[in-house]
Amino acid sequence: ETGVTQTPRHLVMGMTNKKSLKCEQHLGHNAMYWYKQSAKKPLELMFVYNFKEQTENNSVPSRFSPECPNSSHLFLHLHTLQPEDSALYLCASSQAEQSFSNSPLHFGNGTRLTVT
Amino acid sequence: QQQVKQSPQSLIVQKGGISIINCAYENTAFDYFPWYQQFPGKGPALLIAIRPDVSEKKEGRFTISFNKSAKQFSLHIMDSQPGDSATYFCAASFIFGNEKLTFGTGTRLTIIP
Repeated sequence: ETGVTQTPRHLVMGMTNKKSLKCEQHLGHNAMYWYKQSAKKPLELMFVYNFKEQTENNSVPSRFSPECPNSSHLFLHLHTLQPEDSALYLCASSQAEQSFSNSPLHFGNGTRLTVT
Repeated sequence: QQQVKQSPQSLIVQKGGISIINCAYENTAFDYFPWYQQFPGKGPALLIAIRPDVSEKKEGRFTISFNKSAKQFSLHIMDSQPGDSATYFCAASFIFGNEKLTFGTGTRLTIIP
Protein backbone atom coordinates (compact mmCIF):
# COMPACT_ATOMS: atom_id res chain seq x y z
CA GLU A 1 0.00 0.00 0.00
CA THR A 2 1.22 3.44 -0.80
CA GLY A 3 0.07 6.95 -0.03
CA VAL A 4 -2.64 7.78 2.48
CA THR A 5 -5.38 5.22 3.13
CA GLN A 6 -8.66 6.01 4.85
CA THR A 7 -11.27 3.56 6.11
CA PRO A 8 -14.15 3.21 5.87
CA ARG A 9 -14.96 4.92 2.56
CA HIS A 10 -18.58 5.42 3.59
CA LEU A 11 -20.21 5.55 7.02
CA VAL A 12 -23.80 6.04 8.05
CA MET A 13 -24.42 6.54 11.74
CA GLY A 14 -27.20 7.61 14.03
CA MET A 15 -26.80 10.54 16.37
CA THR A 16 -26.34 8.26 19.39
CA ASN A 17 -23.73 6.00 17.81
CA LYS A 18 -20.00 5.90 18.44
CA LYS A 19 -17.73 5.24 15.48
CA SER A 20 -14.14 5.83 14.45
CA LEU A 21 -12.46 6.88 11.23
CA LYS A 22 -9.02 5.49 10.49
CA CYS A 23 -6.15 6.94 8.48
CA GLU A 24 -2.81 5.35 7.68
CA GLN A 25 0.06 6.91 5.75
CA HIS A 26 2.89 4.99 4.09
CA LEU A 27 4.95 8.02 3.07
CA GLY A 28 7.23 8.33 6.07
CA HIS A 29 5.70 11.69 6.98
CA ASN A 30 5.59 13.00 10.52
CA ALA A 31 2.64 15.41 10.36
CA MET A 32 -0.98 14.31 9.97
CA TYR A 33 -4.17 16.29 9.57
CA TRP A 34 -7.95 15.92 9.65
CA TYR A 35 -9.98 18.12 7.31
CA LYS A 36 -13.74 18.45 6.85
CA GLN A 37 -15.03 19.00 3.31
CA SER A 38 -18.58 20.25 2.83
CA ALA A 39 -20.20 21.29 -0.44
CA LYS A 40 -19.48 24.88 -1.52
CA LYS A 41 -17.29 25.52 1.52
CA PRO A 42 -13.52 25.74 1.87
CA LEU A 43 -11.75 22.73 3.30
CA GLU A 44 -11.85 23.16 7.06
CA LEU A 45 -8.80 22.16 9.06
CA MET A 46 -9.85 20.28 12.19
CA PHE A 47 -6.73 18.87 13.82
CA VAL A 48 -2.98 18.74 13.22
CA TYR A 49 -0.46 16.35 14.72
CA ASN A 50 3.27 16.96 14.43
CA PHE A 51 5.49 14.12 15.62
CA LYS A 52 2.41 12.56 17.31
CA GLU A 53 1.72 15.71 19.31
CA GLN A 54 -1.46 17.68 18.66
CA THR A 55 -0.43 21.15 17.57
CA GLU A 56 -3.71 22.49 16.26
CA ASN A 57 -7.34 22.16 17.29
CA ASN A 58 -9.42 24.47 15.18
CA SER A 59 -12.24 25.01 17.67
CA VAL A 60 -13.67 21.62 16.86
CA PRO A 61 -16.60 20.41 19.01
CA SER A 62 -15.72 17.79 21.59
CA ARG A 63 -17.92 15.21 19.85
CA PHE A 64 -14.91 14.83 17.54
CA SER A 65 -11.93 13.29 19.31
CA PRO A 66 -8.64 12.67 17.48
CA GLU A 67 -6.02 10.11 18.36
CA CYS A 68 -2.53 9.72 16.93
CA PRO A 69 -0.80 6.64 18.40
CA ASN A 70 2.21 6.95 16.08
CA SER A 71 3.31 9.04 13.12
CA SER A 72 1.71 6.61 10.62
CA HIS A 73 -1.76 6.31 12.10
CA LEU A 74 -4.49 8.81 12.86
CA PHE A 75 -7.99 8.22 14.15
CA LEU A 76 -11.06 10.40 14.50
CA HIS A 77 -13.46 9.14 17.15
CA LEU A 78 -17.05 10.25 16.69
CA HIS A 79 -19.87 10.31 19.23
CA THR A 80 -23.28 11.96 19.50
CA LEU A 81 -22.88 13.66 16.15
CA GLN A 82 -25.40 16.02 14.58
CA PRO A 83 -26.86 15.85 11.04
CA GLU A 84 -24.84 18.97 10.12
CA ASP A 85 -21.69 16.92 10.72
CA SER A 86 -22.44 14.97 7.55
CA ALA A 87 -19.53 15.66 5.20
CA LEU A 88 -16.44 14.16 3.60
CA TYR A 89 -13.66 13.78 6.16
CA LEU A 90 -10.20 13.90 4.68
CA CYS A 91 -6.95 12.81 6.24
CA ALA A 92 -3.67 14.25 5.01
CA SER A 93 0.01 13.94 5.81
CA SER A 94 3.13 15.96 5.13
CA GLN A 95 6.75 16.17 6.11
CA ALA A 96 7.15 18.58 9.00
CA GLU A 97 10.62 19.91 9.71
CA GLN A 98 11.91 22.88 11.63
CA SER A 99 12.94 24.74 8.52
CA PHE A 100 11.73 23.77 5.08
CA SER A 101 9.79 25.06 2.18
CA ASN A 102 6.22 23.91 2.41
CA SER A 103 5.92 20.19 2.12
CA PRO A 104 2.76 19.46 0.11
CA LEU A 105 -0.21 17.83 1.76
CA HIS A 106 -0.93 14.28 0.62
CA PHE A 107 -4.61 13.52 1.05
CA GLY A 108 -6.45 10.26 1.39
CA ASN A 109 -9.68 9.66 -0.55
CA GLY A 110 -11.82 10.49 2.44
CA THR A 111 -14.66 8.97 4.42
CA ARG A 112 -18.13 10.07 3.36
CA LEU A 113 -20.04 10.41 6.65
CA THR A 114 -23.81 10.61 6.85
CA VAL A 115 -25.42 11.30 10.23
CA THR A 116 -29.09 10.33 10.42
CA GLN B 1 -8.01 38.43 7.04
CA GLN B 2 -7.58 34.70 6.58
CA GLN B 3 -10.11 34.27 3.78
CA VAL B 4 -9.26 33.24 0.24
CA LYS B 5 -11.98 34.06 -2.30
CA GLN B 6 -12.20 31.86 -5.39
CA SER B 7 -14.19 32.30 -8.58
CA PRO B 8 -16.00 31.07 -10.55
CA GLN B 9 -17.81 28.35 -8.62
CA SER B 10 -18.16 26.30 -11.81
CA LEU B 11 -16.69 26.58 -15.28
CA ILE B 12 -17.38 24.87 -18.58
CA VAL B 13 -14.72 25.08 -21.27
CA GLN B 14 -14.48 23.49 -24.66
CA LYS B 15 -11.70 21.04 -25.36
CA GLY B 16 -8.61 22.90 -26.51
CA GLY B 17 -9.66 26.13 -24.83
CA ILE B 18 -8.09 28.03 -21.92
CA SER B 19 -9.53 27.54 -18.44
CA ILE B 20 -8.98 30.39 -15.99
CA ILE B 21 -9.71 30.28 -12.26
CA ASN B 22 -9.15 33.30 -10.05
CA CYS B 23 -8.37 33.74 -6.37
CA ALA B 24 -7.95 36.75 -4.12
CA TYR B 25 -6.56 36.95 -0.61
CA GLU B 26 -6.51 39.52 2.18
CA ASN B 27 -3.61 38.60 4.42
CA THR B 28 -0.45 40.21 3.02
CA ALA B 29 1.65 37.92 5.19
CA PHE B 30 0.72 34.92 3.03
CA ASP B 31 3.75 33.82 1.04
CA TYR B 32 2.91 30.44 -0.40
CA PHE B 33 0.09 29.84 -2.89
CA PRO B 34 -0.64 26.26 -3.98
CA TRP B 35 -3.36 24.89 -6.22
CA TYR B 36 -4.90 21.50 -5.51
CA GLN B 37 -6.80 19.32 -7.99
CA GLN B 38 -9.52 16.92 -6.86
CA PHE B 39 -11.14 14.23 -9.00
CA PRO B 40 -14.50 12.70 -7.97
CA GLY B 41 -14.05 10.11 -5.26
CA LYS B 42 -10.47 11.15 -4.62
CA GLY B 43 -8.69 13.46 -2.21
CA PRO B 44 -7.13 16.72 -3.40
CA ALA B 45 -3.61 16.53 -4.81
CA LEU B 46 -1.07 19.33 -5.19
CA LEU B 47 -1.01 20.55 -8.78
CA ILE B 48 1.31 23.56 -8.78
CA ALA B 49 2.44 26.22 -6.30
CA ILE B 50 4.04 29.66 -6.36
CA ARG B 51 5.94 31.98 -4.02
CA PRO B 52 5.33 35.75 -4.30
CA ASP B 53 8.87 36.49 -5.45
CA VAL B 54 7.87 35.49 -9.01
CA SER B 55 4.91 36.66 -11.08
CA GLU B 56 4.40 33.46 -13.02
CA LYS B 57 5.12 29.77 -12.78
CA LYS B 58 4.50 27.28 -15.54
CA GLU B 59 4.40 23.50 -15.42
CA GLY B 60 3.34 21.93 -18.67
CA ARG B 61 -0.14 23.21 -19.58
CA PHE B 62 -0.68 24.70 -16.11
CA THR B 63 0.40 28.26 -15.26
CA ILE B 64 -0.03 30.30 -12.09
CA SER B 65 -0.09 34.08 -12.56
CA PHE B 66 0.53 36.10 -9.43
CA ASN B 67 -0.20 39.80 -8.82
CA LYS B 68 1.17 40.78 -5.44
CA SER B 69 -0.05 44.38 -5.48
CA ALA B 70 -3.61 43.29 -6.28
CA LYS B 71 -3.39 40.31 -3.90
CA GLN B 72 -4.66 38.04 -6.63
CA PHE B 73 -3.48 34.87 -8.30
CA SER B 74 -4.94 32.70 -11.00
CA LEU B 75 -4.61 29.28 -12.58
CA HIS B 76 -4.55 29.01 -16.36
CA ILE B 77 -4.97 25.64 -18.04
CA MET B 78 -3.92 25.80 -21.67
CA ASP B 79 -5.28 23.39 -24.30
CA SER B 80 -7.81 22.10 -21.77
CA GLN B 81 -8.58 18.37 -22.03
CA PRO B 82 -11.51 16.26 -20.79
CA GLY B 83 -9.09 14.66 -18.32
CA ASP B 84 -8.68 18.07 -16.68
CA SER B 85 -12.33 17.94 -15.53
CA ALA B 86 -12.04 18.14 -11.75
CA THR B 87 -12.51 20.52 -8.84
CA TYR B 88 -9.68 22.98 -8.33
CA PHE B 89 -8.87 24.63 -4.99
CA CYS B 90 -6.58 27.57 -4.52
CA ALA B 91 -4.97 28.04 -1.14
CA ALA B 92 -2.69 30.41 0.71
CA SER B 93 -0.34 29.92 3.59
CA PHE B 94 2.89 30.93 5.23
CA ILE B 95 6.11 29.30 4.14
CA PHE B 96 6.46 27.57 7.49
CA GLY B 97 3.18 26.00 8.46
CA ASN B 98 0.78 23.80 6.56
CA GLU B 99 -1.52 24.10 9.56
CA LYS B 100 -2.24 27.66 8.46
CA LEU B 101 -3.20 26.67 4.90
CA THR B 102 -6.41 28.51 3.96
CA PHE B 103 -8.39 27.08 1.06
CA GLY B 104 -10.77 28.69 -1.41
CA THR B 105 -14.26 27.26 -1.95
CA GLY B 106 -13.30 25.36 -5.11
CA THR B 107 -14.12 25.56 -8.83
CA ARG B 108 -15.75 22.64 -10.60
CA LEU B 109 -14.23 22.56 -14.08
CA THR B 110 -15.86 20.62 -16.89
CA ILE B 111 -14.17 20.26 -20.26
CA ILE B 112 -16.59 19.39 -23.05
CA PRO B 113 -15.55 17.76 -26.34
